[in-house]
Formats: sequence, C-alpha cells, structure tokens
Amino acid sequence: EPEVTQTPSHQVTQMGQEVILRCVPISNHLYFYWYRQILGQKVEFLVSFYNNEISEKSEIFDDQFSVERPDGSNFTLKIRSTKLEDSAMYFCASSRDGRTDTQYFGPGTRLTVL
Amino acid sequence: AQSVSQHNHHVILSEAASLELGCNYSYGGTVNLFWYVQYPGQHLQLLLKYFSGDPLVKGIKGFEAEFIKSKFSFNLRKPSVQWSDTAEYFCAVNAVGAADKLIFGTGTRLQVFP
Repeated sequence: EPEVTQTPSHQVTQMGQEVILRCVPISNHLYFYWYRQILGQKVEFLVSFYNNEISEKSEIFDDQFSVERPDGSNFTLKIRSTKLEDSAMYFCASSRDGRTDTQYFGPGTRLTVL
Repeated sequence: AQSVSQHNHHVILSEAASLELGCNYSYGGTVNLFWYVQYPGQHLQLLLKYFSGDPLVKGIKGFEAEFIKSKFSFNLRKPSVQWSDTAEYFCAVNAVGAADKLIFGTGTRLQVFP
C-alpha cells in the first residue's frame, strides 16, 4: 500500500538556522499539507498546497515558513530562521481529491531547535 | 471558528473492556469527520471516516463511530479492546465547502492492560 514518507525522521538544529523538511506524497495525490504537533499539544494545520500554489495557510505559517514542490515527487517545508518554539513534530499529508477525500499522513519529522 | 473537543485525555482499560471515546465539534455547517490512531512510534493512520450516509460507520480493527448531528458528536466505540489497541486516538473534522484543512482534537491516550 502506498505511503507518505518523510525525511529526516529527526532533525536537530541551532536557533536561527534554516531547515528543510522533506516529504514524498503518495504518487497520484494532488493535495499536500503540513501539520505540526508541539509536544503535549494538538496537531495543528500549517498549510495546504494544490496546483503548485498555497491554497490555505494558518496564522502559524508566517514569513519564516515556505513550501515548495521542486519536482514531481517531493514536497518540502522550509523554516528560514528557526526559533525554539518551532520544536515540534512536523507531519506531511496528502490526498487525491482534497475536500472530498481522506488525508494520509507521513511518519513525521521531529524537529528540535536548540 | 471550528474546534474539536476530546474530553477523555487518558483512558486506562483492561483487555475485553468496552471503549467509548468522546468527540464533539463546533461548526454550524456540514462536516466530514475522522478518527485517526497513532500507535507508539508510528504515524497517524485513518481508523474510520464519515462523509455522508449512514451515521454509524465501521472502521478497521473492530472500531465504529456514530455521528449524531444534533449533538455535534462523533464518538468512537469498540465493544472489546485488546492490548494492541494501546495508542493515541485523534478526532478530526473538516468543513465541507469551506476548506480541506483538518481540525484535530487534543487526542486521547488509551492504555490497555492484559
């Protein structure tokens, strides 16, 4: 069964550094998402992406964040200058038909900002 | 704004006990409803979903959930839990016709003892 994959599984970085989290969505899916979960808190929506552009973003997704689909398979989340409060588990998800379909989640990347 | 409440934060059961996890949402329009499960060390997996039709939906591993529109609820049930059901359970909704982002509850940690 096809799965969403994410790399790395764990990323440790210094405050102020840039990080890129990578995701490979399920191959025939067209809608892509990033969520995050700060330890002990709920899973929060960050951004949705369709047809090579952002379709919705939350207030968390400020100018420090960006997403890109650099090729036909990868979907990346970049944080330009990490802060301590960016430490969280970041989940990528994809779906085939957006609003009428199930979102399938990757295993997550645990980001630790020191 | 949409929100999801899961009132049971931590549930401890013995094997063969029955399970019911509460989920309530706030949104005045039509919603799609989901339960996701996260087993220790694994990613979020879809347990079941409700889009329309029969409000009693059956999912994997013997789980079921009932959508009660008048109560804005989508409670998860299982008649007899197993040790392997130990996991974190997340209720999520998205608003039909508005956006495809998922709004998650805080999750319920279920521990099942043999």
